[in-house]
Amino acid sequence: AQTVTQSQPEMSVQEAETVTLSCTYDTSESDYYLFWYKQPPSRQMILVIRQEAYKQQNATENRFSVNFQKAAKSFSLKISDSQLGDAAMYFCAYRSAIKAAGNKLTFGGGTRVLVKP
Amino acid sequence: DTEVTQTPKHLVMGMTNKKSLKCEQHMGHRAMYWYKQKAKKPPELMFVYSYEKLSINESVPSRFSPECPNSSLLNLHLHALQPEDSALYLCASRPGPNETQYFGPGTRLLVL
Repeated sequence: AQTVTQSQPEMSVQEAETVTLSCTYDTSESDYYLFWYKQPPSRQMILVIRQEAYKQQNATENRFSVNFQKAAKSFSLKISDSQLGDAAMYFCAYRSAIKAAGNKLTFGGGTRVLVKP
Repeated sequence: DTEVTQTPKHLVMGMTNKKSLKCEQHMGHRAMYWYKQKAKKPPELMFVYSYEKLSINESVPSRFSPECPNSSLLNLHLHALQPEDSALYLCASRPGPNETQYFGPGTRLLVL
């Protein structure tokens, strides 16, 4: 079974600065998807960014970018120019590309991001 | 439109009550999910419906009963719940096999 680990329970960043969230995962599969979801106090899970394992290029989405290291099974999220609205719980998630796996998401434990004005 | 809606937003029920949670999407997504999320924890998968058929049941107690009456609607029927079932219940849907899941805002359930 796959596992996802987020080693930082909480991270604090000054507004306009950069913060990097760590995520490591364990899998024996070669084809899979990785995600970062954001969950603000409003509770809704919002997709931040998605990475296909077969793509070597790191995904970017505006101020959000990832550093995907497949051999190291690492998938970190960098938030640049942090804004107050970035304050939330961030979950890293893994999904197998095998159809029989049912498209289940395996989540890490989450990292709370605090943004200081 | 990438909206998944859930009603009600909040629900308080006693252990002998019967209630239902509702999830709706009009994006033509053919897979829908129920998750349970306790405070400060990640979501835990409960059920998956694919093409209106139950495809995954993560050993959820029978006091939770899912139903998918059509491709746009997913219900979760609740009966004889326990206080430890108090949590945020999230619904999600997905367009296709390799697509991303989109989540609704959740229903916060309190069982007294």
